Amino acid sequence: GQNIDQPTEMTATEGAIVQINCTYQTSGFNGLFWYQQHAGEAPTFLSYNVLDGLEEKGRFSSFLSRSKGYSYLLLKELQMKDSASYLCAVLDSNYQLIWGAGTKLIIKP
Amino acid sequence: GAVVSQHPSRVICKSGTSVKIECRSLDFQATTMFWYRQFPKQSLMLMATSNEGSKATYEQGVEKDKFLINHASLTLSTLTVTSAHPEDSSFYICSARDGNGDTEAFFGQGTRLTVV
Repeated sequence: GQNIDQPTEMTATEGAIVQINCTYQTSGFNGLFWYQQHAGEAPTFLSYNVLDGLEEKGRFSSFLSRSKGYSYLLLKELQMKDSASYLCAVLDSNYQLIWGAGTKLIIKP
Repeated sequence: GAVVSQHPSRVICKSGTSVKIECRSLDFQATTMFWYRQFPKQSLMLMATSNEGSKATYEQGVEKDKFLINHASLTLSTLTVTSAHPEDSSFYICSARDGNGDTEAFFGQGTRLTVV
């Protein structure tokens, strides 16, 4: 079966750094996405990785290791507005998105 | 990035009535559109995948006669919840992918459906 695992909830302090991990087992791989979703809103795109390595985009970075079936999203200089759910999703061999359950990130002052 | 417009953002309807939700790609041609529902504190659940001009492919457990999907053009897909019941109350989200090989899915704003 296909499976995406990520922690249910994480807590971090404003100004700090947090890493949200995602492991996956899917039938084929055509890339991994990270989305941010605030409560009651639709997800918004953060990053897309299809090759191994680190992609940096401002305060957010995403890393991928295809051999390990592993990705992480790194958030630096945390702000209160970063409190949200972060969804990991993998594009499988049929180009269907397989979604993780999301990680709720709580930022404390 | 590309824009997907979903309408309405919120709707309240009486039990037994039908509700139509529209999803439009504003600046690209969406060859594939996806419909999701999301219950509170849960992740997205794919309901169906629709390709322009063909019948939608429904996920297991999703009643195709209850959730009617029409993808008549490259810029518009509709989801109609027929004979709605309170248990259909949920957050419905569409996403679209263009036909140019881009793999990113662009999301609509979502529709909060409440059936009373």
